Amino acid sequence: DTAVSQTPKYLVTQMGNDKSIKCEQNLGHDTMYWYKQDSKKFLKIMFSYNNKELIINETVPNRFSPKSPDKAHLNLHINSLELGDSAVYFCASSPGQGVYGYTFGSGTRLTVV
Amino acid sequence: SQQGEEDPQALSIQEGENATMNCSYKTSINNLQWYRQNSGRGLVHLILIRSNEREKHSGRLRVTLDTSKKSSSLLITASRAADTASYFCATDHGSGNTGKLIFGQGTTLQVKP
Repeated sequence: DTAVSQTPKYLVTQMGNDKSIKCEQNLGHDTMYWYKQDSKKFLKIMFSYNNKELIINETVPNRFSPKSPDKAHLNLHINSLELGDSAVYFCASSPGQGVYGYTFGSGTRLTVV
Repeated sequence: SQQGEEDPQALSIQEGENATMNCSYKTSINNLQWYRQNSGRGLVHLILIRSNEREKHSGRLRVTLDTSKKSSSLLITASRAADTASYFCATDHGSGNTGKLIFGQGTTLQVKP
């Protein structure tokens, strides 16, 4: 069983389109995250939710909107895609907000053309 | 910026040799974590070391933490070709106890058979 699963794995789309990436975890964790990894492998946190409540929003353009329908799901919707949005997006979860390691999904490679 | 820096950026060794990677950070931490990322995959949590700990072991991995120097090292002993991956340190600076991790840019390790 996959602990943190993201779909789709690859996403190629044109500038200006709107797309969504879905994330689900079956670990019973309370906290979920979205990270963006650029072409230089730099990972930057975007959002974090704890039990469906937004707790971190790292000055991400408001074209990015996370949604957490329940604590096992954290989806990422992106409006009006731009070339600079091309990256690998990782979902992760942890048991809570304290001293815990993350469990990462396998990533979604987004290419905007 | 709280982002950690890793050194070296790339490391190439022969199977059986030891590999040492270093991480430095700028502001005080609650804990520091190390992750491995195989090419095209998500990150895998390796070890978490708390700010009041100086050394931790897990199998062939040894992590040290020197909070006075704001640095950590990851030692992989008796390396194997399967250890080829990128290794990231991540720091929890305790900002609002959100569990937010800040990642360094990683060390790319190549282990030649």
